[in-house]
Amino acid sequence: DSGVTQTPKHLITATGQRVTLRCSPRSGDLSVYWYQQSLDQGLQFLIQYYNGEERAKGNILERFSAQQFPDLHSELNLSSLELGDSALYFCASSVERIAGAHEQYFGPGTRLTVT
Amino acid sequence: DQQVKQNSPSLSVQEGRISILNCDYTNSMFDYFLWYKKYPAEGPTFLISISSIKDKNEDGRFTVFLNKSAKHLSLHIVPSQPGDSAVYFCAASLNTDKLIFGTGTRLQVFP
Repeated sequence: DSGVTQTPKHLITATGQRVTLRCSPRSGDLSVYWYQQSLDQGLQFLIQYYNGEERAKGNILERFSAQQFPDLHSELNLSSLELGDSALYFCASSVERIAGAHEQYFGPGTRLTVT
Repeated sequence: DQQVKQNSPSLSVQEGRISILNCDYTNSMFDYFLWYKKYPAEGPTFLISISSIKDKNEDGRFTVFLNKSAKHLSLHIVPSQPGDSAVYFCAASLNTDKLIFGTGTRLQVFP
């Protein structure tokens, strides 16, 4: 158990809909990251938040947005869903980068299926 | 553009033997490399990492080797155990906490 929790575990929805994925980081971790893993692909970085502020952005579509709340949990919002958005969405957390600490700890993921 | 590549999608090794998983990268500015293990229906689990200023890091049965001139890193598992059967991802970072992942290698350890 990494200490990172994600809800829901599975989500099935229709094209054009909007969903919200939730992540709670490990206790004490200030950074939250979102990754997308499509079928047979590696994990693609979407976005990072640090202590409530956006820190880095990857290949995140404009239809997608995220935020990190004062209690440090984060939500990833996916709107106008398309079939190609079906994927595993992982959240990870880490402490602030100190003396080379790069390890990110991943949650179990949310499997999104768009029909 | 795939900056981190794992060219072997799968590897099969007998229990007790050495497993060697390989990873190539294109950006010489990467400063940290990590290996993650992933079981089905679970998130990736951090395994071992190495700074770009080192060429080897060891943790129990796991050793990571970094060859900067060849832009290549490898993960050695000795001895391999059936519980090591999983998908292994290498990842790299560049002055930020963002990780760039390879596509993974599925390791199967058979008795």
